[in-house]
Amino acid sequence: GDSVTQKQGQVTLSEDDFLFINCTYSTTTYPTLLWYVQYPGQGPQLLLKVTTANNKGISRGFEATYDKGTTSFHLQKASVQESDSAVYFCALVEDTGYQNFYFGKGTSLTVIP
Amino acid sequence: EAGVTQSPRYAVLQEGQAVSFWCDPISGHDTLYWYQQPRDQGPQLLVYFRDEAVIDNSQLPSDRFSAVRPKGTNSTLKIQSAKQGDTATYLCASSTGTGWEQYFGPGTRLTVL
Repeated sequence: GDSVTQKQGQVTLSEDDFLFINCTYSTTTYPTLLWYVQYPGQGPQLLLKVTTANNKGISRGFEATYDKGTTSFHLQKASVQESDSAVYFCALVEDTGYQNFYFGKGTSLTVIP
Repeated sequence: EAGVTQSPRYAVLQEGQAVSFWCDPISGHDTLYWYQQPRDQGPQLLVYFRDEAVIDNSQLPSDRFSAVRPKGTNSTLKIQSAKQGDTATYLCASSTGTGWEQYFGPGTRLTVL
């Protein structure tokens, strides 16, 4: 079945550092790949979408790219700020007429000022 | 536009007690999801509805969990006899039937002692 693997559990960076989070996926369909951000006490919020058609998404300084060859997709940001401290989830949407969502375990980002 | 609302925000129970969670999705969203998010994990789908119909409840522990959406709007998730392993945040999300973007509520944090 479909699945998403997100191995980086915790990442600690200093302000202005480069952020890179990787996810791998497994699916038999053409996936839509998503990145969510979750702040304490809140539900996840959609950050970016990447499809096999566009290969890249950009929002709020974050960039998501997709590599079909390695079945992986990445989230990156050139210069993180303390306000970016949050948990980031990758997710895969399987569209079979109904949308099934599969989430990774999340990466907790702490940015030290 | 109001977002997804959930209540209560917190619940603390003894093992064996029952609890119900309530969700009010975004107006006009016909698809509603319930997720369980254990601490330091990603959301894991329990059940989802299109209007009042259950589309997938294969991950719902049917012996103790139940979910309804009788009029295709609000929904209730109930745990009949809670266990310590049920300790988690319960998230509700909604989307339009043809859309992949789902909107999450703030969640209900359940602690079972």
